[in-house]
Amino acid sequence: GAVVSQHPSRVICKSGTSVKIECRSLDFQATTMFWYRQFPKQSLMLMATSNEGSKATYEQGVEKDKFLINHASLTLSTLTVTSAHPEDSSFYICSAKQGAMNTEAFFGQGTRLTVV
Amino acid sequence: AQKVTQAQTEISVVEKEDVTLDCVYETRDTTYYLFWYKQPPSGELVFLIRRNSFDEQNEISGRYSWNFQKSTSSFNFTITASQVVDSAVYFCALSEREVIQGAQKLVFGQGTRLTINP
Repeated sequence: GAVVSQHPSRVICKSGTSVKIECRSLDFQATTMFWYRQFPKQSLMLMATSNEGSKATYEQGVEKDKFLINHASLTLSTLTVTSAHPEDSSFYICSAKQGAMNTEAFFGQGTRLTVV
Repeated sequence: AQKVTQAQTEISVVEKEDVTLDCVYETRDTTYYLFWYKQPPSGELVFLIRRNSFDEQNEISGRYSWNFQKSTSSFNFTITASQVVDSAVYFCALSEREVIQGAQKLVFGQGTRLTINP
């Protein structure tokens, strides 16, 4: 299957700082990327849908000013957690789709964020 | 609104036993897709299967099989002759047709933590 690379895999940051997570599709052009958050022993919750060249669509309850998403190219989307707090500590995982409606999304390896 | 329910939070079996993971979904759309993903301890999501709502044929892939029944809105997953390497969290997910440039959002179930003991 297609490869989606997410970086970094783990990050520890101080409260109040910002953290950027990258999601790259390595062998295909991702017209749509999704960002999910997963708390320990819980399911994945969609945060936002990102289409190349346009603003991301955020799910209800997700602060767009806190979780900045940029999808500047067909192979890269970034999620920036601004002014991180300990409650933002979570596993963040992206997925990427190659356009057509009935294609599956491929997931990155995930990023474990710990805010101290 | 769509919803996926995996009632089994945790399952523990002995190696070589067969095990079935249940998945029940809710959707108002007539066109939708169902998925199963495996999440090993490392965290990445491994795609296992995608099934569209018009294809009710059961599928078998090696030791894995899936039973899709629209009448009961279920898409159950069976592992035959389980192995220790099958230990992981398994997620069932639902995707409906979305208007936003063809994108489809995945709604995940709560996941079932499967432990295969030697």
